[in-house]
Amino acid sequence: KNQVEQSPQSLIILEGKNCTLQCNYTVSPFSNLRWYKQDTGRGPVSLTIMTFSENTKSNGRYTATLDADTKQSSLHITASQLSDSASYICVVSDDNYGQNFVFGPGTRLSVLP
Amino acid sequence: DAGITQSPRYKITETGRQVTLMCHQTWSHSYMFWYRQDLGHGLRLIYYSAAADITDKGEVPDGYVVSRSKTENFPLTLESATRSQTSVYFCASSDIWDKNTEAFFGQGTRLTVV
Repeated sequence: KNQVEQSPQSLIILEGKNCTLQCNYTVSPFSNLRWYKQDTGRGPVSLTIMTFSENTKSNGRYTATLDADTKQSSLHITASQLSDSASYICVVSDDNYGQNFVFGPGTRLSVLP
Repeated sequence: DAGITQSPRYKITETGRQVTLMCHQTWSHSYMFWYRQDLGHGLRLIYYSAAADITDKGEVPDGYVVSRSKTENFPLTLESATRSQTSVYFCASSDIWDKNTEAFFGQGTRLTVV
């Protein structure tokens, strides 16, 4: 069964620190991997989209990596800000057209002052 | 305003009642999706639509009905609400079915069935 797992389930860091969130997937055939940010009470907002051939993609202070061989991805947040407090969701597409999403459960990040 | 909007934002209904959640997008995107989000689970696809008058089931379609008479609207109806349908519902849209295409999500509707 296609699955996306994320770790840790939740994370608390101090403002200004860096952190890394993990995503492991067992989705096949692989099309692309996305990271979304979801603020409390809001819909998910896309951070990055990576296809099979891409292994790093940045969006400001967010850098996603992809290892398609080990089926792992990470999201690194640099110099965290209070506004980074949110859930981060890893999403993998499991068909050749790329829009059939398998969602991970998310990592809840809290950034404290 | 351009974008994707859902209404209502919050809804409480009784078991057995019919309830409709609305979704409207202003981009004329071809594809629209309905998901539900429950604690401990990732978002799960209920139904999707590739164009007006074309809809198809997702992972968890039982108890739900959709229609798409116009490109911009994609309402989701719970025919006879059950407590297990208490959830947060998200509508999304995207332009084309392509691996690099962005999908945009609405703000969500929190539905409570009592």
